[in-house]
Amino acid sequence: GQQLNQSPQSMFIQEGEDVSMNCTSSSIFNTWLWYKQDPGEGPVLLIALYKAGELTSNGRLTAQFGITRKDSFLNISASIPSDVGIYFCAGQGSGGSNYKLTFGKGTLLTVNP
Amino acid sequence: DTAVSQTPKYLVTQMGNDKSIKCEQNLGHDTMYWYKQDSKKFLKIMFSYNNKELIINETVPNRFSPKSPDKAHLNLHINSLELGDSAVYFCASTPGTGLAGGRSSYEQYFGPGTRLTVT
Repeated sequence: GQQLNQSPQSMFIQEGEDVSMNCTSSSIFNTWLWYKQDPGEGPVLLIALYKAGELTSNGRLTAQFGITRKDSFLNISASIPSDVGIYFCAGQGSGGSNYKLTFGKGTLLTVNP
Repeated sequence: DTAVSQTPKYLVTQMGNDKSIKCEQNLGHDTMYWYKQDSKKFLKIMFSYNNKELIINETVPNRFSPKSPDKAHLNLHINSLELGDSAVYFCASTPGTGLAGGRSSYEQYFGPGTRLTVT
């Protein structure tokens, strides 16, 4: 089945620093989504990307749909303590079900004040 | 005014018992899902229903049986619970059915999760 490689697995940064994480796949995806999960909560949708090359921002967050349709990245600028959590990429692939998302294994972000 | 809600939030039970988790969404979405998140935080899809019809049934032991009485509800019943069933179970929903529902069909909205502990 389709798989997503998400990196890095974890990050420890200082407040104010910028953060970048990415997901890659061996197969083409039609849609990329980025989620954040706070401890004890469900994942919350941050950004959705639908077109190759698309660059979308949501506040301090910026995500891009790679031109090859096999990758996506998420940047967080000027991190703050509440950015702590697990960030997941998810994709809907051309070879898979229209209803099914494939999730990356997550990036655990820790922000030191 | 919660969008996707699950009950209970926590469930502690003994091996061999049967338990149910309930999910409700008030977003008017057509498609609902159950995911299992293990201790390593990996999200694995289990089932999906579209308008009360099962459309995704991953390789899950048949001790797990989903039921959708209407499109706003998707429940998960687990028989003969085992230690390995301990995990956080998430319900999610999306507006439509892939291409037919438009781009936002792929945007899944998650509930708060049910932490199941089997002892």
